[in-house]
Amino acid sequence: GNSVTQMEGPVTLSEEAFLTINCTYTATGYPSLFWYVQYPGEGLQLLLKATKADDKGSNKGFEATYRKETTSFHLEKGSVQVSDSAVYFCALSDRGSTLGRLYFGRGTQLTVWP
Amino acid sequence: DTGVSQNPRHKITKRGQNVTFRCDPISEHNRLYWYRQTLGQGPEFLTYFQNEAQLEKSRLLSDRFSAERPKGSFSTLEIQRTEQGDSAMYLCASNLDTSAETQYFGPGTRLLVL
Repeated sequence: GNSVTQMEGPVTLSEEAFLTINCTYTATGYPSLFWYVQYPGEGLQLLLKATKADDKGSNKGFEATYRKETTSFHLEKGSVQVSDSAVYFCALSDRGSTLGRLYFGRGTQLTVWP
Repeated sequence: DTGVSQNPRHKITKRGQNVTFRCDPISEHNRLYWYRQTLGQGPEFLTYFQNEAQLEKSRLLSDRFSAERPKGSFSTLEIQRTEQGDSAMYLCASNLDTSAETQYFGPGTRLLVL
């Protein structure tokens, strides 16, 4: 079946530190991969996505590369800011299915201190 | 604001009562999804609509849950005879079709069953 395993949190960093949040997946088909972010009191927002192997998604200084050989989609940012404090969710969508539902990881809480 | 909207944002009810939530998707989005998110977990798929047709329901959606999208625009999710285990954030998302893949989420309705 389809599932996402995400690095457990919480993660606490100082401003300007390097961030990595690990995400691995299991999929029956050929998935698209996503990172969503949830800021306090807000809904989930798409942060970035990749639709095929070796694609790199990027947005707001965040990057993630679709690694088919390791079934991974780790999120990275070179220098985090206080405003990056949020919960980050890795997700996949099975492109072979007409359903389009998303399968989410458990989420990783990131707190950045000034 | 042309994003996905959900009402109410918060609902407190007593066990055994019925509750109904509403989701207004982005205009012209023909796909609408409901997810449930419990504390410390990622969103879990409940059901989805293509226009007014409900095409799949998760096994999480017991017979106490019912969802409708009568005119292919807004949707309602009703929970009958609520239980404490129903306490969660109920999220709605929409998109135009599977080729777009990205789902746009509303802010959610937080339900607390006492």
